[in-house]
Amino acid sequence: GENVEQHPSTLSVQEGDSAVIKCTYSDSASNYFPWYKQELGKGPQLIIDIRSNVGEKKDQRIAVTLNKTAKHFSLHITETQPEDSAVYFCAAPPGGSSNTGKLIFGQGTTLQVKP
Amino acid sequence: NAGVTQTPKFRILKIGQSMTLQCTQDMNHNYMYWYRQDPGMGLKLIYYSVGAGITDKGEVPNGYNVSRSTTEDFPLRLELAAPSQTSVYFCASQTGLRDQPQHFGDGTRLSIL
Repeated sequence: GENVEQHPSTLSVQEGDSAVIKCTYSDSASNYFPWYKQELGKGPQLIIDIRSNVGEKKDQRIAVTLNKTAKHFSLHITETQPEDSAVYFCAAPPGGSSNTGKLIFGQGTTLQVKP
Repeated sequence: NAGVTQTPKFRILKIGQSMTLQCTQDMNHNYMYWYRQDPGMGLKLIYYSVGAGITDKGEVPNGYNVSRSTTEDFPLRLELAAPSQTSVYFCASQTGLRDQPQHFGDGTRLSIL
């Protein structure tokens, strides 16, 4: 079945620097890759997603890149701000023909942005 | 719209007690999910449902039960609470279309003592 590995587990950056979080997946049939941000005491919130027909997607300071050949995708946050501090999760569907909407989540990255 | 609403937000149970975690969504989503999140870990799928009357086991179903009598509601039942079930529980919903995001509630923090 699908396995999603996420690195690093913790990341500390200075305000204004960039942050990059990487995920690898195992099922080559996966075609959808969302990223979630979880603030303290809240549920995960979708911040950006990418489908396998594109290699990169941007939304203001956030971008996601996808390399299907290597089976990895990355989240890039530029000009980081203290409010970017949170836990970030990547995810990928199990693949296969059945559509259950299930997602396999990475282990999470705790991002700390120091003022 | 409220989205996905979970109640209660916090609960303390004694070993052996039972309780139901409530989840309701107002987005008319067909698919719903229950996860548990342990400290420093990702989200583990407990049960899911692709429609009213249809439920299936996820990765960690032991000790839990679910039902889906309506599109809106997807309660999670703990019959005999054990300390290993101390966790944060999240409910999520999804439209039912392929390759769409899940939408999460804010969780129920459960302690079993």
